[in-house]
Amino acid sequence: DAKTTQPPSMDCAEGRAANLPCNHSTISGNEYVYWYRQIHSQGPQYIIHGLKNNETNEMASLIITEDRKSSTLILPHATLRDTAVYYCIVLQGNQFYFGTGTSLTVIP
Amino acid sequence: GAVVSQHPSWVICKSGTSVKIECRSLDFQATTMFWYRQFPKQSLMLMATSNEGSKATYEQGVEKDKFLINHASLTLSTLTVTSAHPEDSSFYICSAREPGHRYEQYFGPGTRLTVT
Repeated sequence: DAKTTQPPSMDCAEGRAANLPCNHSTISGNEYVYWYRQIHSQGPQYIIHGLKNNETNEMASLIITEDRKSSTLILPHATLRDTAVYYCIVLQGNQFYFGTGTSLTVIP
Repeated sequence: GAVVSQHPSWVICKSGTSVKIECRSLDFQATTMFWYRQFPKQSLMLMATSNEGSKATYEQGVEKDKFLINHASLTLSTLTVTSAHPEDSSFYICSAREPGHRYEQYFGPGTRLTVT
């Protein structure tokens, strides 16, 4: 079962930062947090992952709280093409169990 | 980056027939592949984990005799839906793990199955 909870939907103005929260209060010490997104009727796309430290790549930043019970995905300058369902996933063993995700709508 | 393909992208079949879906890793060898199912407006549900050269491990509630998984090579896994029924209509997505990238999964584009 998924170990994550996310708000079902969010809106963000184009050009602004999108901050997507995720709760994973039962995460274990060696379990990674992964973020993927899925654009309608396509396969999920990898965004970023982390364990303890904050991470940044060309797509996004991942902020993980010190107690690791929650994290936030930040899209620094949202575009219309960022409209998608964003999934926060805690890796369990070697498998992904997807939660319900957050449907992000970027508004012009 | 690592690319995973699926074939076909969509298929319509009659109730009672079987359908095979292929998942290929195009530019890497995948010792582990995963199969997911996604119903409309729902999240992805893990069906099974497929390891090259061995039997697949199915998630609880997934019928292994109905959803046959074969992972005969390092670049190909197949999912066969046997005796398909309308309730099997769904979006089937595979993913593959690239050796050396221990946890990251690369997803295929999905296959839309409609059973009439």
